[in-house]
Amino acid sequence: DSGVTQTPKHLITATGQRVTLRCSPRSGDLSVYWYQQSLDQGLQFLIQYYNGEERAKGNILERFSAQQFPDLHSELNLSSLELGDSALYFCASSVLIQEAYNEQFFGPGTRLTVL
Amino acid sequence: GENVEQHPSTLSVQEGDSAVIKCTYSDSASNYFPWYKQELGKRPQLIIDIRSNVGEKKDQRIAVTLNKTAKHFSLHITETQPEDSAVYFCAASIRNFGNEKLTFGTGTRLTIIP
Repeated sequence: DSGVTQTPKHLITATGQRVTLRCSPRSGDLSVYWYQQSLDQGLQFLIQYYNGEERAKGNILERFSAQQFPDLHSELNLSSLELGDSALYFCASSVLIQEAYNEQFFGPGTRLTVL
Repeated sequence: GENVEQHPSTLSVQEGDSAVIKCTYSDSASNYFPWYKQELGKRPQLIIDIRSNVGEKKDQRIAVTLNKTAKHFSLHITETQPEDSAVYFCAASIRNFGNEKLTFGTGTRLTIIP
């Protein structure tokens, strides 16, 4: 167990719908990262938050958005869902001390199926 | 942006033999190179990492080498065991003022044949 929690574990929805994925980082970790893992695209970095602020952005679609709350949990919102959005969505967290290279700890993932 | 290529995509080795997975990266500013192991249906887990100021790092049966000039790094697993069967991902990252963006390779499915 990495200490990172994600809910829900599975999500099945229809095209055009909107869903919210939730992540709670490890205790003490200030940085949260979101990744999408699909069969044909591998692990893709979406976005990073540090202590409530967006810090880095990857190939995140405009239909997707995220935020990190004052209690450091994060939510990833996916809207106008398409079949191609079906994937495993991972959240990871790290302490991110600038002087050190800190491991990213991954959560168990949320499997999203869009029908 | 950064691009990471990983080879081979699948690898089968006899138990006890060595396995080598290779990655190349495109951005010379990348300064951190972790390797993750992902078992079926599970989360990726860090197994070893290397910084750009180090050429080689070893942890028991696992070692990673980095050639900054050629922009490639490799994972070496010796004395392979059945529990080493998994998908392995390399990644490259530029850590800069609290920003981090990990770019992953496409993964190598390693199968250890008993």
